[in-house]
Amino acid sequence: GQQVMQIPQYQHVQEGEDFTTYCNSSTTLSNIQWYKQRPGGHPVFLIQLVKSGEVKKQKRLTFQFGEAKKNSSLHITATQTTDVGTYFCAGHLNSGYALNFGKGTSLLVTP
Amino acid sequence: GAGVSQSPSNKVTEKGKDVELRCDPISGHTALYWYRQRLGQGLEFLIYFQGNSAPDKSGLPSDRFSAERTGESVSTLTIQRTQQEDSAVYLCASSLGEFLAGDGRHSLDTQYFGPGTRLTVL
Repeated sequence: GQQVMQIPQYQHVQEGEDFTTYCNSSTTLSNIQWYKQRPGGHPVFLIQLVKSGEVKKQKRLTFQFGEAKKNSSLHITATQTTDVGTYFCAGHLNSGYALNFGKGTSLLVTP
Repeated sequence: GAGVSQSPSNKVTEKGKDVELRCDPISGHTALYWYRQRLGQGLEFLIYFQGNSAPDKSGLPSDRFSAERTGESVSTLTIQRTQQEDSAVYLCASSLGEFLAGDGRHSLDTQYFGPGTRLTVL
C-alpha cells in the first residue's frame, strides 16, 4: 500500500503567495528526494535530503527533513507562474531498493 | 551529456497484444528503474536493476509484466497480453546507484528520468 503520503493533492495560489507541500511516511526513511514534473513532462530531480533535521534552500525553495526522518516539506516563497507543476516527494525505506513516491501536489499559480 | 532516452515515445496497441518498451540509461549509471504513471496519478515503482545483482521485481503488478537488462546498458520492459488498465506512461530512470551518506548509511543516488513511453491499449 501507499507508504509515502503527500498533502495537499492540489493547491491554487495567486502569484506572489507562498506554497507548502508536506510529505509523511509511516516508517523511517533513509533519505527523501523531491521532484518537479511540469505538465506533459517527466519528473526532474530537485534535491535530496539525507540527515535528520536537514534544511536546504534553492533560491525561493526551502526543503526540510524531519528529526525522525518520517516527514518532509517543500516551501516556495513568493510563487511565480514558472513554479506551476506537480511536486513529488520520494523516500527510500530502509528495506529494499524501491523509491516510494507520494502521489504529488499539483500547484497552479495564477498571475 | 545525453540523458535517459526511451522508445517509442507513444505506443497504441490492441488489447491482448504484447508490447516492448525500451530504455537507454545514462552511460555509467549502474542503477535503472521502471515506473508507471497513470493519468493524473503519482509514480508507481515497477522494477529496479542494480549492476549484476538480482533485480528487485517487487513492484511488477502481474506476471504479464517482465523486464530485462543486459549488464549496465539497455533495458526492455515487456507487457504480455495487454489490458486496457495497462494504459499509462511508463517512465525509466537511471542513477549512479548507492552511495555512503554522511551518517554512514547507504543511500540511493538521484534518479534521472527519461521522457517516458505513453502506452494506450484500445
